[in-house]
Amino acid sequence: AQRVTQPEKLLSVFKGAPVELKCNYSYSGSPELFWYVQYSRQRLQLLLRHISRESIKGFTADLNKGETSFHLKKPFAQEEDSAMYYCALRGYGGATNKLIFGTGTLLAVQP
Amino acid sequence: SQTIHQWPATLVQPVGSPLSLECTVEGTSNPNLYWYRQAAGRGLQLLFYSVGIGQISSEVPQNLSASRPQDRQFILSSKKLLLSDSGFYLCGYRDSYTDTQYFGPGTRLTVL
Repeated sequence: AQRVTQPEKLLSVFKGAPVELKCNYSYSGSPELFWYVQYSRQRLQLLLRHISRESIKGFTADLNKGETSFHLKKPFAQEEDSAMYYCALRGYGGATNKLIFGTGTLLAVQP
Repeated sequence: SQTIHQWPATLVQPVGSPLSLECTVEGTSNPNLYWYRQAAGRGLQLLFYSVGIGQISSEVPQNLSASRPQDRQFILSSKKLLLSDSGFYLCGYRDSYTDTQYFGPGTRLTVL
């Protein structure tokens, strides 16, 4: 079964501290992984995807197929990073391109 | 540019009343469309998706239904709302050019 697990509902860190938002997935093939972010009073939006292998707003995420993980990391958290973060999975092939989301992690960066 | 609209933004309905939430997309044709629900304490759950007019697939058994009467219109409905239907409903579409899924502003539904 396809599943995305985000074990932390809330992650609170101080400004300047490193951040790691955990994401594990279950999928029989080779999925595509995404991180979506929802800032306060804004729409849910794409933050990054694993195939791009890029850093967005200082965040990076590496797909570890052995551990079936796609953790989101940032070396120095900023207050503006406070938001709800969702990890999502999409299977290759098919016409639906549907995303399977995790339950989300609320990141709170304290001053 | 592409835009996705949802309305209403908030809705308070009594148990047993009907529901109709609308989603429209601009600037694209034949998009894949999606309805998600975000219930309190839970993540985003895919409810329905559509790959074309009149084509609806349901992901979970529920009290809701969806319809796609036009290419860029996606409607979420219920004949009789339940308390458990309360939540935040998001409409999304996939931009085939960027292969990215975009979301509307959402509708906050409270069933009393």
